[in-house]
Amino acid sequence: DTGVSQDPRHKITKRGQNVTFRCDPISEHNRLYWYRQTLGQGPEFLTYFQNEAQLEKSRLLSDRFSAERPKGSFSTLEIQRTEQGDSAMYLCASRGLPGDGYTFGSGTRLTVV
Amino acid sequence: AQKVTQAQTEISVVEKEDVTLDCVYETRDTTYYLFWYKQPPSGELVFLIRRNSFDEQNEISGRYSWNFQKSTSSFNFTITASQVVDSAVYFCALSEDSGAGSYQLTFGKGTKLSVIP
Repeated sequence: DTGVSQDPRHKITKRGQNVTFRCDPISEHNRLYWYRQTLGQGPEFLTYFQNEAQLEKSRLLSDRFSAERPKGSFSTLEIQRTEQGDSAMYLCASRGLPGDGYTFGSGTRLTVV
Repeated sequence: AQKVTQAQTEISVVEKEDVTLDCVYETRDTTYYLFWYKQPPSGELVFLIRRNSFDEQNEISGRYSWNFQKSTSSFNFTITASQVVDSAVYFCALSEDSGAGSYQLTFGKGTKLSVIP
């Protein structure tokens, strides 16, 4: 297993378009997280899955955002009707047990023009 | 509420100097975890260390060392004999049970370290 994979690495989209990102976690990790990082800031938590169940969502996750993790494996994060303020790096992380280290993917950098 | 403060926004040092990155956290929980991550220009977050709230032993790993002091709610990171490859943004993060079992990470704003040759 080579770690957490995210696709695409970069995405440029026009305002108002929908975009979808994919995350493939480490296979034995049942916990998966999405974070968003804007320039000059630390990553901010968006949402958490344990297996296929989405157990927690941040207030940052507006109605235009939706995340899924069918079958408890890969996850997708969709942003509908993108806005310029959505431009950021979207990071996915996975881990096994509470307190274990989190493994992050390389992220998807979204630019909304 | 969780909060992590990294007061140093940017630090520049000359190669081979020692440098300490500060981290102060706030939490009401007795059980929590503290982390340091490195983010080089490539963007990927690289895990450096995890420490749980019951283990106040300092740790050394090569040129890296960490000083965890619960009395001052600090978890500082020291790089000895810095190298150019240490140039990156370093994040301190706190993890505790939010109630939903997520143990999500709350990050500080990061400290950008530049090591000048």
